[in-house]
Amino acid sequence: DAGVTQSPTHLIKTRGQQVTLRCSPKSGHDTVSWYQQALGQGPQFIFQYYEEEERQRGNFPDRFSGHQFPNYSSELNVNALLLGDSALYLCASSLIGGTQYNEQFFGPGTRLTVL
Amino acid sequence: AQSVTQLGSHVSVSEGALVLLRCNYSSSVPPYLFWYVQYPNQGLQLLLKYTTGATLVKGINGFEAEFKKSETSFHLTKPSAHMSDAAEYFCAVSATAGTYKYIFGTGTRLKVLA
Repeated sequence: DAGVTQSPTHLIKTRGQQVTLRCSPKSGHDTVSWYQQALGQGPQFIFQYYEEEERQRGNFPDRFSGHQFPNYSSELNVNALLLGDSALYLCASSLIGGTQYNEQFFGPGTRLTVL
Repeated sequence: AQSVTQLGSHVSVSEGALVLLRCNYSSSVPPYLFWYVQYPNQGLQLLLKYTTGATLVKGINGFEAEFKKSETSFHLTKPSAHMSDAAEYFCAVSATAGTYKYIFGTGTRLKVLA
């Protein structure tokens, strides 16, 4: 049973560029959440996708956008990159209705470096 | 609104000693509580969770945590530390209703001394 997978593993971009990160959820899961983990910090919730729609959003600017596909996989897009966007981006999948507490399973993350 | 406070960004223990990592939470509704571990260059692995029922929760690798509502705490313990326990530990809270996101603490880095 494949767990949550993310690609790429590492990415280096320059300020002002745009980046797309990808996530495939755990088999049987229908919901994807994205988190940003800056160095030395805990993960911060960016947004969650369910049924191809953004279900909830954290305190992140509109430069951060996402998409969920019919096969439940998801993309995170960040436009106009800033140095402060450098972080580990974690994807988590869950099954709405599977449990009340929406247990989330995390992928290994994508390390984004903005120069 | 919810928040998590982890006291002590770095904790060092000797191999075989008790591990105690502290977590206090704030939540306007009954919370779900989680502890995750993160090894270098890896994602988060769930250690244990409190949802409802028994307040003493046992997890993987010999870890356990006790939910104390009166103290708004969910401290993580392990009776005897092993070298392989060296990692970053995160406490997280999720509301029982109205939201689906996890709020994480800033983490505690555990160092195990030989």
